[in-house]
Order: sequence, then C-alpha cells, then structure tokens
Amino acid sequence: GENVEQHPSTLSVQEGDSAVIKCTYSDSASNYFPWYKQELGKGPQLIIDIRSNVGEKKDQRIAVTLNKTAKHFSLHITETQPEDSAVYFCAASLPGYSSASKIIFGSGTRLSIRP
Amino acid sequence: NAGVMQNPRHLVRRRGQEARLRCSPMKGHSHVYWYRQLPEEGLKFMVYLQKENIIDESGMPKERFSAEFPKEGPSILRIQQVVRGDSAAYFCASSLPTVVNSPLHFGNGTRLTVT
Repeated sequence: GENVEQHPSTLSVQEGDSAVIKCTYSDSASNYFPWYKQELGKGPQLIIDIRSNVGEKKDQRIAVTLNKTAKHFSLHITETQPEDSAVYFCAASLPGYSSASKIIFGSGTRLSIRP
Repeated sequence: NAGVMQNPRHLVRRRGQEARLRCSPMKGHSHVYWYRQLPEEGLKFMVYLQKENIIDESGMPKERFSAEFPKEGPSILRIQQVVRGDSAAYFCASSLPTVVNSPLHFGNGTRLTVT
C-alpha cells in the first residue's frame, strides 16, 4: 500500500521568512496530493492540492511542487505570518473505487513562526 | 452550507464501556471516512463508507470497532469495551460522490478519553 513520509517533524522560522515542508510517497500510481493545516483543537483543513498532471500550483503565499519521477512533493509558504503556526500534513491518494479514493497522510510538521 | 459535524466533541468513558461517535457529512456528500489521531501523531485511516456500504475497513481493528453509515442519519463509529489505548481524537471526513479524488472535508473531531 501507499506510504507517505514527511519532514521535518518540527520547523521554526522567523516571521517573514519562508517555510518548506517535504514529503515522499511510495506508490507511483498516486495521482492526487493535498495539503492540510490543522490548528489546535480543530480538524484538518485543506489549504492546497495538486494533481499528477501538474508540476506546480500557487495560491497567494502558498505553493506546492510535485516531482513524479522522484516521487516527492513540497509545500512552500512565503512571507510567513503568526497565523501560519499550525501542524501541516501532506497526503497522497491512490485512484480507486468507483468514485472516490483513500487518502494516506504523512506524520505532520509542526510549524512555529517566531515574531 | 454547514460543514462536517461531529459529536460529541469530548467523550469520557471508563474501561469496558462503549463509545459511540457520530458524524454528519456535508450536505450533498455521500462518502464518509474515519481517521484516528494519537497525540503528536498523524492521521491514520480507519474506514471508508458510502451510504449503507462499507467500502474499505482495512484500517479498523478487527475486534471491538465497527462503523456504519445508514440510509438516514449520521455515520456512527462504535467502540465496544473501550481500553486506555483507544484514547485518541477521532476525525470524520466527507467527500462528494461523483468526482474522483474529491477533497476530504474534516469535522473538528471527537476526543475520546478512557479512564
């Protein structure tokens, strides 16, 4: 089955600097890669996703890149702000079933933004 | 449009009791997923259900755990004879029925404590 590895497990950056979180996946058939942000006491919230036919996607200060050959993908947050402090999860999804697929999550990165 | 609703938010049970966790998916979503999160860890897939069908329960412990998603009403995750190791946050997510790799939308979880 699919295995997703994520690093680093913790990351501290100065406010205004960039943060990068990296993930690798094992199954080359995976074709959908969402990123979730989880704030304390809440459920994960989707912040950006990328599909396997795209190499990069941006949404304001957030960007995700995908290297299918190497089977890794990364989240980039620029101009970090205090409200970016949270736990971030990458995930990979295998296609399957009739109309939906199962998403496997990485172990998470706790991002802290220093004022 | 209400999001995924989970209740209760917090549940305390003594060892040996039963725990029932409820999840109402987003309007229009007929796919439900349950994930378990231990403190400082990632989300572990448990079970994927459609209305009246269990599609994939490969992440469910073989004993004491069961899940259902009836034609009417919320999805229920049931844990019988709870043990201390069942203490965790349980998250439900839902997705659209017709789009492959449809994003998951999570609720805010039920935090189960077994004393």
